[in-house]
Amino acid sequence: SQQGEEDPQALSIQEGENATMNCSYKTSINNLQWYRQNSGRGLVHLILIRSNEREKHSGRLRVTLDTSKKSSSLLITASRAADTASYFCATDPAGNMLTFGGGTRLMVKP
Amino acid sequence: EAGVAQSPRYKIIEKRQSVAFWCNPISGHATLYWYQQILGQGPKLLIQFQNNGVVDDSQLPKDRFSAERLKGVDSTLKIQPAKLEDSAVYLCASSPGLAGGNEQFFGPGTRLTVL
Repeated sequence: SQQGEEDPQALSIQEGENATMNCSYKTSINNLQWYRQNSGRGLVHLILIRSNEREKHSGRLRVTLDTSKKSSSLLITASRAADTASYFCATDPAGNMLTFGGGTRLMVKP
Repeated sequence: EAGVAQSPRYKIIEKRQSVAFWCNPISGHATLYWYQQILGQGPKLLIQFQNNGVVDDSQLPKDRFSAERLKGVDSTLKIQPAKLEDSAVYLCASSPGLAGGNEQFFGPGTRLTVL
């Protein structure tokens, strides 16, 4: 089974709305990363949050990490049609390799 | 800066045939990864190299898959013989250091269809 599981599996919103995706994992981690994948640009790194951090921002992205609940969330504010993609969380339970979740498929309607 | 290069972009073969994929990582990146991504799923790590040594290959089906990274730069992934369930996108990625604390840079992938 995968270390990280995203929720929901699919999300459809209107342009301008916020999108929130959640990731739960099973074992202790050093870091958690979020990636985006679309047909145009492939798989691209968005943000890395370390286990001693609780929140991190990058532009319209906000990531939180709750190690006590073994969960993370990715918030995209003021979504755009170009944000349509699959979003994956990836964790490093063994310290030197990433395990990806199954992803959340986000559709942003113009 | 040039990204991770992969070839071919697409490959169609029949089951029991052999196939090879090539990857050229970002210059200077010590760590190289091969992932398998089946449609609708997240990428699954097959093998991880640090320079030309294998760091982890625990999820590589070694009876049919092999990979090498000669001279610590380019890498090839081979499947011999292919099965129907090997149909997937094969992604190559590289990073300056080991996975957990480093962003990975992905190539465009090779889409393999096994008939």
